[in-house]
Amino acid sequence: KQEVTQIPAALSVPEGENLVLNCSFTDSAIYNLQWFRQDPGKGLTSLLLIQSSQREQTSGRLNASLDKSSGRSTLYIAASQPGDSATYLCAVPFMGNEKLTFGTGTRLTIIP
Amino acid sequence: KAGVTQTPRYLIKTRGQQVTLSCSPISGHRSVSWYQQTPGQGLQFLFEYFSETQRNKGNFPGRFSGRQFSNSRSEMNVSTLELGDSALYLCASSLRAGGGETQYFGPGTRLLVL
Repeated sequence: KQEVTQIPAALSVPEGENLVLNCSFTDSAIYNLQWFRQDPGKGLTSLLLIQSSQREQTSGRLNASLDKSSGRSTLYIAASQPGDSATYLCAVPFMGNEKLTFGTGTRLTIIP
Repeated sequence: KAGVTQTPRYLIKTRGQQVTLSCSPISGHRSVSWYQQTPGQGLQFLFEYFSETQRNKGNFPGRFSGRQFSNSRSEMNVSTLELGDSALYLCASSLRAGGGETQYFGPGTRLLVL
């Protein structure tokens, strides 16, 4: 059974700092790993998807890495802004189907 | 291109009632998945539909059911509501099934059971 863990559960950093969010998974047989953000009471916004054959994926100030062998992914946010405050979730689909197993999320607060 | 839409956005029901939630995927997307989100359990997979067929089902009781129509729109139904069914219900769509593509989520339907 795939288990996905995100540490820390909450993180507060001053505006402008670079930060890293962590995601660990137990079963390395994954197609890809997807990072989402969720604003309070809202749905999920897809940020990045890394295919299992990739090591990194970048979008603007966001960079996600994937190390399948160690069961880890990181989401790097550069030059953080107050608008980055949200809960960040990583998720992996089980091989061959759409079922996503989600981590518990990291609640990020950027302090102006 | 319009995103995933879900209706209604908010619902209040009482125990024992039933409820139907609707999800319209992004145009051209044929796979629709449903998730339940609660503070205690986080995001949990309910079921997935592709081309009107249920491909996968999560670990939920039979009171939770769904279907998909020929235009890829999907509905989920919860019968005999319980207090514990209060949650944010999210649907997601992707172009194809198989787990290899980005899933796009709707804004969710917040269900409160009294």
